[in-house]
Amino acid sequence: AQKVTQAQTEISVVEKEDVTLDCVYETRDTTYYLFWYKQPPSGELVFLIRRNSFDEQNEISGRYSWNFQKSTSSFNFTITASQVVDSAVYFCALNNYGQNFVFGPGTRLSVLP
Amino acid sequence: EAQVTQNPRYLITVTGKKLTVTCSQNMNHEYMSWYRQDPGLGLRQIYYSMNVEVTDKGDVPEGYKVSRKEKRNFPLILESPSPNQTSLYFCASSLLLAGTDTQYFGPGTRLTVL
Repeated sequence: AQKVTQAQTEISVVEKEDVTLDCVYETRDTTYYLFWYKQPPSGELVFLIRRNSFDEQNEISGRYSWNFQKSTSSFNFTITASQVVDSAVYFCALNNYGQNFVFGPGTRLSVLP
Repeated sequence: EAQVTQNPRYLITVTGKKLTVTCSQNMNHEYMSWYRQDPGLGLRQIYYSMNVEVTDKGDVPEGYKVSRKEKRNFPLILESPSPNQTSLYFCASSLLLAGTDTQYFGPGTRLTVL
């Protein structure tokens, strides 16, 4: 069975702090995709990144970076120099290439001015 | 504008009264899916469709039906809604197999079943 765990339910940081959101996944498949989505207070879901199981390279996009480690089944997301606009719920998700998606419960990030 | 639309955006209904939430995409996407979002549980997949007339169950299909008669539309049907189906529902689509392409989400439908 597939499972995605986001152990941090809520995180609060002060603006300009760095913050890491944890994601741990479980799957028996060797081919799979991992995703991060952002849900701002307005409610829409915004795609952030997709990573396949054969690509363990870390990725950086502006203030965002992702660390994929198959050895620990983790796909963590770091925001550098956080801003108030980063306040949102962040979801990690797993797709086993079989069309079925599994999302984690989400982490609510509050960035305080 | 490329988008996924859902209607209605808000709905309050009573137990047992059949309802349909529509979902339409204008991107010629093959894959479409329905999710429900509940506090502390994240998004859970209800049904998905690989193409016209091809649908399959997700993790929480009980109490829901779907159909895919046209590529652009993927309605979610609750034939006899119950209070435990009160939730925020999202429709999504992607061009190819969901694992190989980005999913685009609709704006959500907030359903309350009394």
